[in-house]
Amino acid sequence: NAGVTQTPKFRVLKTGQSMTLLCAQDMNHEYMYWYRQDPGMGLRLIHYSVGEGTTAKGEVPDGYNVSRLKKQNFLLGLESAAPSQTSVYFCASSRTGTGVGNTIYFGEGSWLTVV
Amino acid sequence: SQKIEQNSEALNIQEGKTATLTCNYTNYSPAYLQWYRQDPGRGPVFLLLIRENEKEKRKERLKVTFDTTLKQSLFHITASQPADSATYLCALAAYGGSQGNLIFGKGTKLSVKP
Repeated sequence: NAGVTQTPKFRVLKTGQSMTLLCAQDMNHEYMYWYRQDPGMGLRLIHYSVGEGTTAKGEVPDGYNVSRLKKQNFLLGLESAAPSQTSVYFCASSRTGTGVGNTIYFGEGSWLTVV
Repeated sequence: SQKIEQNSEALNIQEGKTATLTCNYTNYSPAYLQWYRQDPGRGPVFLLLIRENEKEKRKERLKVTFDTTLKQSLFHITASQPADSATYLCALAAYGGSQGNLIFGKGTKLSVKP
């Protein structure tokens, strides 16, 4: 049982380049999330999805887009990367919403550096 | 604005002692509080969840308390071991909030010395 899988694990981008981070979960979870984690800032929610075909903005959505075309996949896109987007990105999923006491399961992280 | 604080960035203790980590929150009425463990280079892993009507929850050497009057949760690791060294995160979800609104503290890095 793989849980939540993220690709790639490491990536270096030049300013202005675009890329997509891929997330897949095999737990049949309805909810999926993208967080970023920066030193001194903790985990911050970028975007999330409450089901296939849905997306919503989190705390820090600017500069990112997401898509949930299939229930098991949640993609995070950077259209024009900026150095401020250098961070560790975590994908996560939960059976249903965290507001009803569900825990979330995280992937192993994707380290992105924008130069 | 809603705020969640973990009082110590780092906590160093001796093996065998009890580690106590603190999580405080303001402007918030959480229905649940969760604790996660994060090892270097890894994603957070869920440890314990406590509901607003529960005072205490235990799991093996771990104990969590939740005081809604003080707006505080304490996380205890008894008989600590070097393998317990990691960063511990608390997280809150509120009734009626956005379904994606699980707010995390910045974490406390625990180091257990042999």
